[in-house]
Amino acid sequence: EVQLVESGGGLVQPGGSLRLSCAASGFTFSSYWMTWVRHAPGKGLEWVANIKEGGSEKFYVDSVKGRFTISRDNAKNSLFLQMDSLRADDTAVYYCARAEIFASLDYWGQGILVIVSS
Amino acid sequence: EIVLTQSPATLSLSPGERATLSCGASQSITSDYLAWYQQKPGQAPRLLIYGASSRATGIPDRFSGSGSGTDFTLTISRLEPEDSAVYYCQQYDNSRTTWTFGQGTKVEIK
Repeated sequence: EVQLVESGGGLVQPGGSLRLSCAASGFTFSSYWMTWVRHAPGKGLEWVANIKEGGSEKFYVDSVKGRFTISRDNAKNSLFLQMDSLRADDTAVYYCARAEIFASLDYWGQGILVIVSS
Repeated sequence: EIVLTQSPATLSLSPGERATLSCGASQSITSDYLAWYQQKPGQAPRLLIYGASSRATGIPDRFSGSGSGTDFTLTISRLEPEDSAVYYCQQYDNSRTTWTFGQGTKVEIK
């Protein structure tokens, strides 16, 4: 059974940092692109970042470029999102998701809440 | 950057009725890279349709997708109470390796 479990969320002050983790199981993690998607309160879904299988190719939505860094450890079946210079509008539930056929996101974690507030 | 616009914002229908949700793209997109998701309150999104018209594993056949170019549709043929949710379309831009979601359509069951 495919499972994705996020951790590392919480309350952080504006300008602060947080590192999210996503533990994957039930599939060959190193064979898949992985993504982070967020859902801000009262808003729709927003793709945040993607990393290809080997970890060398990474892509970001413009609003997080230079502040967020996606990475992965294929030996530990883990995905990460380092979030620096956090702003109030980064407040959201963050999901990790697996990219499958035609880049659809077929499995999602349960989500982890990040609140940026003073 | 491709923008996806979903309509209507809210759809209120009775059980057994047919729901038609629209997703319009600001420019023509490859049908292969158009997907639909269902999200219920407090839950993660669930993939319903990929490649514009292929149902994901375990999705009931009352859900169907169609369309091409700039106009795509998700149809729920016979609404059931558990279909109450927000539905999002999503496209993948192969040239920029970016994903974009529509703003969502809320389906309410009367």
